[in-house]
Amino acid sequence: NAGVTQTPKFQVLKTGQSMTLQCAQDMNHNSMYWYRQDPGMGLRLIYYSASEGTTDKGEVPNGYNVSRLNKREFSLRLESAAPSQTSVYFCASSARPDRGAYEQYFGPGTRLTVT
Amino acid sequence: KNQVEQSPQSLIILEGKNCTLQCNYTVSPFSNLRWYKQDTGRGPVSLTIMTFSENTKSNGRYTATLDADTKQSSLHITASQLSDSASYICVVSGTGGGNKLTFGTGTQLKVEL
Repeated sequence: NAGVTQTPKFQVLKTGQSMTLQCAQDMNHNSMYWYRQDPGMGLRLIYYSASEGTTDKGEVPNGYNVSRLNKREFSLRLESAAPSQTSVYFCASSARPDRGAYEQYFGPGTRLTVT
Repeated sequence: KNQVEQSPQSLIILEGKNCTLQCNYTVSPFSNLRWYKQDTGRGPVSLTIMTFSENTKSNGRYTATLDADTKQSSLHITASQLSDSASYICVVSGTGGGNKLTFGTGTQLKVEL
């Protein structure tokens, strides 16, 4: 099993450009998440999908959109990139939403720089 | 506001030595507490998850403790190895629907020869 995979690994964008970050999991998990990690700050939740067909905003959703394409795939879209979106983005998945201490499995991350 | 604070911010120890990392939280109501290890350039990997009723949980050389009354947790690493060099992140989950994880900023551990 590959676990959680993310593409691309690295990306440089100019301000105003758009892009989609891809995430896939092969663990048959119901829930998927997108986080960003910035220096000196804990991971912050952007959006999550508790189950296929549902998505909800997290702590920092502004400037992002998501699509739960199917049970395996959850994509994050930046419509008009801004320098403040320079960050490392992590996708994660879990069997269920957080009730009952279900472990979250993280992907390797996408390092995004917006100039 | 829910917060998770970790100390120290960074730590350097010699290989073979033990160390203890601290985590204080104000998340309420509390569901569970997790410790993750994050190697440089990688995603976090879970070490332990403890619920309200658990005081201690071990995973090999890693032992986590939880005092839900004082809202404190610690991660003890025994007989450290070079491969333990990483950031250790404390994460606290509140109750309720969806995802309610609050992440600490991590303790950066470096193990040297």
